[in-house]
Amino acid sequence: DAKTTQPNSMESNEEEPVHLPCNHSTISGTDYIHWYRQLPSQGPEYVIHGLTSNVNNRMASLAIAEDRKSSTLILHRATLRDAAVYYCILSLGDMRFGAGTRLTVKP
Amino acid sequence: DGGITQSPKYLFRKEGQNVTLSCEQNLNHDAMYWYRQDPGQGLRLIYYSQIVNDFQKGDIAEGYSVSREKKESFPLTVTSAQKNPTAFYLCASRPQGNIYYGYTFGSGTRLTVV
Repeated sequence: DAKTTQPNSMESNEEEPVHLPCNHSTISGTDYIHWYRQLPSQGPEYVIHGLTSNVNNRMASLAIAEDRKSSTLILHRATLRDAAVYYCILSLGDMRFGAGTRLTVKP
Repeated sequence: DGGITQSPKYLFRKEGQNVTLSCEQNLNHDAMYWYRQDPGQGLRLIYYSQIVNDFQKGDIAEGYSVSREKKESFPLTVTSAQKNPTAFYLCASRPQGNIYYGYTFGSGTRLTVV
């Protein structure tokens, strides 16, 4: 089984922020947290990753809890093109992606 | 540009026939992976290889076979023993032993068995 747990689905309104949570209570000290997203009929693509500090890039922000047992992917202004399945995975994990979180964005 | 190429994008086969899905990468990655995805479901690990001439079964290896004769290539054969082969198949790779970098995925092959 995947070493991360995520909600099966979430909804958001267009142009509003979205916070996608991920729990990884068994994370090790050197595990990086990686996020990917999968658009319909495509392979997953990299979104962001981090170790301890919060991270920002042009796609999203990653907020990592102080104890590193959870993290949150933040999409600052959701667009219809952000509708996808989002996966959270640990770099030292066992390569199993789980079901991810299916994000629906409503116009 | 470096990346992973999966071919073909769509594949149709008759029931009972073996079929081989191609996966080629020019990223110089050591590890390669095959996943299966059914409609509305997540990714399930079929096989993975961390080094040339070696590979390991994942969670759903029955009815599938792989080879890893070259670092760049990791073909997947769907055999007639696979009971329900119609699915979306994804290949991925990553640098082995480097925890900073994550996975790179191909664009997938959609297999339909009729």
